[in-house]
Amino acid sequence: DTGVSQDPRHKITKRGQNVTFRCDPISEHNRLYWYRQTLGQGPEFLTYFQNEAQLEKSRLLSDRFSAERPKGSFSTLEIQRTEQGDSAMYLCASSSENEKLFFGSGTQLSVL
Amino acid sequence: AQTVTQSQPEMSVQEAETVTLSCTYDTSESNYYLFWYKQPPSRQMILVIRQEAYKQQNATENRFSVNFQKAAKSFSLKISDSQLGDTAMYFCAFSGGTSYGKLTFGQGTILTVHP
Repeated sequence: DTGVSQDPRHKITKRGQNVTFRCDPISEHNRLYWYRQTLGQGPEFLTYFQNEAQLEKSRLLSDRFSAERPKGSFSTLEIQRTEQGDSAMYLCASSSENEKLFFGSGTQLSVL
Repeated sequence: AQTVTQSQPEMSVQEAETVTLSCTYDTSESNYYLFWYKQPPSRQMILVIRQEAYKQQNATENRFSVNFQKAAKSFSLKISDSQLGDTAMYFCAFSGGTSYGKLTFGQGTILTVHP
């Protein structure tokens, strides 16, 4: 068990481009969460999955954002038509039900 | 909606001494969980300690303990025998009982441990 893995670690893109991030949770965990963290702030909840079902989405998740967890294993977070305000660290976490969350090291997105 | 407030942007402590980080929260829920997370320069969030609101006994994990005052909605973290490796950003977080992994975080406190 190598923990929660996120790819890429860093992503630089130009405004208007689409980006996709991947998260591989701990294999036996059925819950997967996405958070966003801007510099100097605490993480903010974006969305979470139980198995392949997306159970909750924050109002922070605009129509340009979409997340999937197709087979209840890895998840992807796509941002379409990126804006400079999307620059942040995107964190993924996984857990068994009502148990401790394990976080990945995040994907740092910079939109130029 | 829940709110979590950390009023100390930065704290510092000498190695081997004790430091307390403050956190207050606001909620109308009766069943909830409170957490302290550590975020070192690697940016990976690490759970330090967890407290269930229905438990009166304060949680402890080795050198880390909390002072949970439910009526005052206060949840402070005490770090004893501070070590250089404790240097990090510390976040207080809240989770409602029905949405366990949906955490609301405070703004964070940067803790520096000096040799």
